[in-house]
Amino acid sequence: DAGVTQSPTHLIKTRGQQVTLRCSPKSGHDTVSWYQQALGQGPQFIFQYYEEEERQRGNFPDRFSGHQFPNYSSELNVNALLLGDSALYLCASSLSGHSNQPQHFGDGTRLSIL
Amino acid sequence: KQEVTQIPAALSVPEGENLVLNCSFTDSAIYNLQWFRQDPGKGLTSLLLIQSSQREQTSGRLNASLDKSSGRSTLYIAASQPGDSATYLCAVRVRGSWGKLQFGAGTQVVVTP
Repeated sequence: DAGVTQSPTHLIKTRGQQVTLRCSPKSGHDTVSWYQQALGQGPQFIFQYYEEEERQRGNFPDRFSGHQFPNYSSELNVNALLLGDSALYLCASSLSGHSNQPQHFGDGTRLSIL
Repeated sequence: KQEVTQIPAALSVPEGENLVLNCSFTDSAIYNLQWFRQDPGKGLTSLLLIQSSQREQTSGRLNASLDKSSGRSTLYIAASQPGDSATYLCAVRVRGSWGKLQFGAGTQVVVTP
């Protein structure tokens, strides 16, 4: 049973560029959430996708956008990259309506902005 | 606004000692609290999840307690081993949210042989 998978594992970009990160949820899960984790900090919630719609959003600018596909996989897009966007980006999956079940995280994508 | 705090930020213990990690949160309106382990440069591994109606949860050498009224959770790791060295994070799922987790900054643990 495959867990949450994310790609790529590492990315190096320069300021002003755009990036797309990808996530496949755990088998049987229909909800995907994205988090940003700066070095030495806890993850911060970016947004959540369910039924191909953004259901909830954290305190992140519109440069951060996403998409969910019919197979429940998801993408995170970041435009006009800033140095401060350097972080580990984590994807978490869960099954909607099952708040008593743990969320499962992938190994993340390490994004470095030069 | 929910805030989650973990103290201490770092902890070093000799092998065999019991570990006690603390997590506090400001809003008691939560669905559950989850403890995670994170190895350097890696993702999060779920250790234990405690529902808001539960007082504690156990898995092997791990035991987590929850006191919702006082906004506190404690993770106990018995007979620590060098392999327990990692960062431990707690996260609460806030009531009224669609599964958004609010994390603490974590406690970095080093178990010395």
